Amino acid sequence: QSILTQPPSVSAAPGQKVSISCSGSSSNIGIKYVSWYQKLPGTAPRLLIYGDNKRPSGIPDRFSGSKSGTSATLEITGLQTGDEADYYCGAWDITLSDGVYGAGVFGGGTRVTVL
Amino acid sequence: EVQLLESGGGLVQPGGSLRLSCGVSGFTFGSDAMTWVRQAPGKGLEWVASIDESGSYRHYADSVKGRFSISRDNSRDTLSLQMHSLRVEDTAFYYCVKGGIGRAPGIDPWGQGTLVTVSS
Repeated sequence: QSILTQPPSVSAAPGQKVSISCSGSSSNIGIKYVSWYQKLPGTAPRLLIYGDNKRPSGIPDRFSGSKSGTSATLEITGLQTGDEADYYCGAWDITLSDGVYGAGVFGGGTRVTVL
Repeated sequence: EVQLLESGGGLVQPGGSLRLSCGVSGFTFGSDAMTWVRQAPGKGLEWVASIDESGSYRHYADSVKGRFSISRDNSRDTLSLQMHSLRVEDTAFYYCVKGGIGRAPGIDPWGQGTLVTVSS
């Protein structure tokens, strides 16, 4: 069970919009930056969103991120067949474990299907 | 262009050891935290370990704590992951990534990954 909770799957027709939620807590999303990653089969993941809502150069503005309290959301507008992939949110969690504060955490991933 | 290249993966028996390396180029290695992330077959991404710029602070996932050790050699632009007491569930692609996941820039870019298979 992941510390960050994402829906297993979302789907929409080409040109439509999908939203992927990422629910955390006050020890991670509530106080730390959220980033989002796209994983296509057979390729390394790539960064889509960092610092809660910023896009790296080269990422289309169809991808946007937001955060409110202990939850974050990735939105993909103008859905394309090439967007079919797994999407992951990530953050730092400050919980103390074995005398050490902090560990990275990912959500369980959301499969986006273009109908 | 920033590039990361992992090496050292392979087949190892349960209980065995393996050392992964990641050579980098295209940025000042000693100025960035570094991270290892893995993905088991059919599973999601799992953060494994991270190390700060100087190597002074290291963090590990509970699943690997006490068995894995992350280190870096800033003079050789190399990141390493020493893995001991390997288990079948450690089978995964292991990715070397620039940055720290909790930091504003996120973790990016990622290496192409190296496959570790733990099996008898």
